[in-house]
Amino acid sequence: QSVLTQPPSVSAAPGQKVTISCSGSRSNIGNNYVSWYQHLPTTAPKLLIYDNDKRPSGIPDRFSGSKSDTSATLGITGLQTGDEADYYCATWDSSLSVGMFGGGTKLTVL
Amino acid sequence: EVQLVESGGGLVQRGGSLRLSCVASGFTFSTFWMHWVRQAPGKGLEWVSRINSDGITRYADSVNGRFTISRDNAKNTLYLQMNSLRAEDTAVYYCAKDFRPYGDYLNFDYWGQGTLVTVSS
Repeated sequence: QSVLTQPPSVSAAPGQKVTISCSGSRSNIGNNYVSWYQHLPTTAPKLLIYDNDKRPSGIPDRFSGSKSDTSATLGITGLQTGDEADYYCATWDSSLSVGMFGGGTKLTVL
Repeated sequence: EVQLVESGGGLVQRGGSLRLSCVASGFTFSTFWMHWVRQAPGKGLEWVSRINSDGITRYADSVNGRFTISRDNAKNTLYLQMNSLRAEDTAVYYCAKDFRPYGDYLNFDYWGQGTLVTVSS
């Protein structure tokens, strides 16, 4: 069971919008930046969002991130079938001095 | 071009040891903080360990005392020495580079291709 809680799955139709939540505590999300990763089978994870809401170069603006208190959210608009993947939030826990990932959310584009 | 190439995975018996390597190229390896992340079959990503540019290390509770992360900056290589292996250590192990040369941010801009470790019981 992960310290960072994500919904196991979300789904939406092509072209629609979806949000994925990540809930933690003050010692992790509350006091540290959150990053988000997209993970497709047999490939390395890809960084989508860093510092809560920043996109690395090459990541389309369909992907967005936000943080409020001890929760973070990944938003994806204009869903495409190629967006089907597992999505993970990640952050550092200042009290435990460990890194952590959320349990992951499987996105299905219907 | 930045590359991270892992090696050293394989089949090992419970209680055994294995050392993973990750050879880095395309960036100033000694400057950046490096991590190991794993994914067990059918499970999510799990952070395993980190070493910063000064050699200071951190470990997940699940591996603390059994795994040792280290780096050889002259060889541009990151290591993970895994001892007292358990069935639950079976996973694909990735090395990952943090894109900032400071701080614990888990902003991994480059990952290796992964190396599979299988612990037989």
